Amino acid sequence: AQSVTQLDSQVPVFEEAPVELRCNYSSSVSVYLFWYVQYPNQGLQLLLKYLSGSTLVKGINGFEAEFNKSQTSFHLRKPSVHISDTAEYFCAVGQGGSEKLVFGKGTKLTVNP
Amino acid sequence: SQTIHQWPATLVQPVGSPLSLECTVEGTSNPNLYWYRQAAGRGLQLLFYSVGIGQISSEVPQNLSASRPQDRQFILSSKKLLLSDSGFYLCAWSVNSEGSPLHFGNGTRLTVT
Repeated sequence: AQSVTQLDSQVPVFEEAPVELRCNYSSSVSVYLFWYVQYPNQGLQLLLKYLSGSTLVKGINGFEAEFNKSQTSFHLRKPSVHISDTAEYFCAVGQGGSEKLVFGKGTKLTVNP
Repeated sequence: SQTIHQWPATLVQPVGSPLSLECTVEGTSNPNLYWYRQAAGRGLQLLFYSVGIGQISSEVPQNLSASRPQDRQFILSSKKLLLSDSGFYLCAWSVNSEGSPLHFGNGTRLTVT
């Protein structure tokens, strides 16, 4: 069965610093990948997705992620974070139907002034 | 555009009482529908999903049930709540296509006392 590991449960950074949130998945066969953001007491919002094609995917709010098949990773990056980026971020990996989507346990990003 | 509505936003119920959470989707037809539960530090757990009216798949045996009486309506129920049912419940929809992302509602915070 597919599994997803978000290596850091919490990531504190200062405003305007770069950030990388790490995500690794278990299967090397064809997969599709997502990053979601969750603000307090809200649902998850899609940041970006990778289905095929270019390994560098750009999403909303200035985030991007790079699909690395050999390392089975899909790390999320932003070159300069804002206070408003403080939220929890979830990586998800799927094969087949959306009911088979597997979520990581999340990384809480805290951006400090 | 498509929207998803989930209510209530918060709910406090005593142990042994019944539960009914409702979710509706607008702007699309024949969506796949999902109920997830989110517990702190444990990521998202898929509870039920549905690919059509009256078609419900249960992922985890538990004290809850789901129904889909109409194409764009998904209901999560319980006859008698347990303390362990407390959590953040999220409804989501997707199109019936491989690689389709999930789109989440704003969630219901359920506290069983």
